[in-house]
Amino acid sequence: GQQVMQIPQYQHVQEGEDFTTYCNSSTTLSNIQWYKQRPGGHPVFLIQLVKSGEVKKQKRLTFQFGEAKKNSSLHITATQTTDVGTYFCAGDSLWQAGTALIFGKGTTLSVSS
Amino acid sequence: DAEITQSPRHKITETGRQVTLACHQTWNHNNMFWYRQDLGHGLRLIHYSYGVQDTNKGEVSDGYSVSRSNTEDLPLTLESAASSQTSVYFCASSESGTSDGTDTQYFGPGTRLTVL
Repeated sequence: GQQVMQIPQYQHVQEGEDFTTYCNSSTTLSNIQWYKQRPGGHPVFLIQLVKSGEVKKQKRLTFQFGEAKKNSSLHITATQTTDVGTYFCAGDSLWQAGTALIFGKGTTLSVSS
Repeated sequence: DAEITQSPRHKITETGRQVTLACHQTWNHNNMFWYRQDLGHGLRLIHYSYGVQDTNKGEVSDGYSVSRSNTEDLPLTLESAASSQTSVYFCASSESGTSDGTDTQYFGPGTRLTVL
């Protein structure tokens, strides 16, 4: 079945270093979403990318959607301790009835000051 | 403000017991979803619903059931709890139209279930 894969699974950085997580789908996606989950919390929507090659920025976070709409990345510039958490990508998937999101396993970011 | 709530937040039960986890949203969203989250597996879809009286199986539906009698609620029932169902359960909702659950999802705070 369709898979959404994320790498790396874990990443530890020193505060101020950059961080990137990558997401790859086995099929072409109509859109991709990114969520952040703080330790002990619930996933919170960050952004949605729809267009091929799309790039969106949110302050220090840069999101890209690949030209083939099968991969995406999240880049954080100059990480801060507030960036700690697990970042999930999610793509649309055709389920038995209609479509729903399929989530990657997430990348857990830890930041030391 | 609109919100999505889950109850209980923590539950300990015994193997073989029936357990129901509640999910209530005041967004008036058509779509509702249940996920389980386990270390190393991310979020896995259990069941989902596109509207009242509509329910569908997700990736890991065995041993779980849902019912949708109104827009606001999608309770998740474990028919006979097993230790393998120890997990954190998240409910989510999205606005979208029928048969399209790819809009932004809003997650509840989660229920931590332990089956002994």
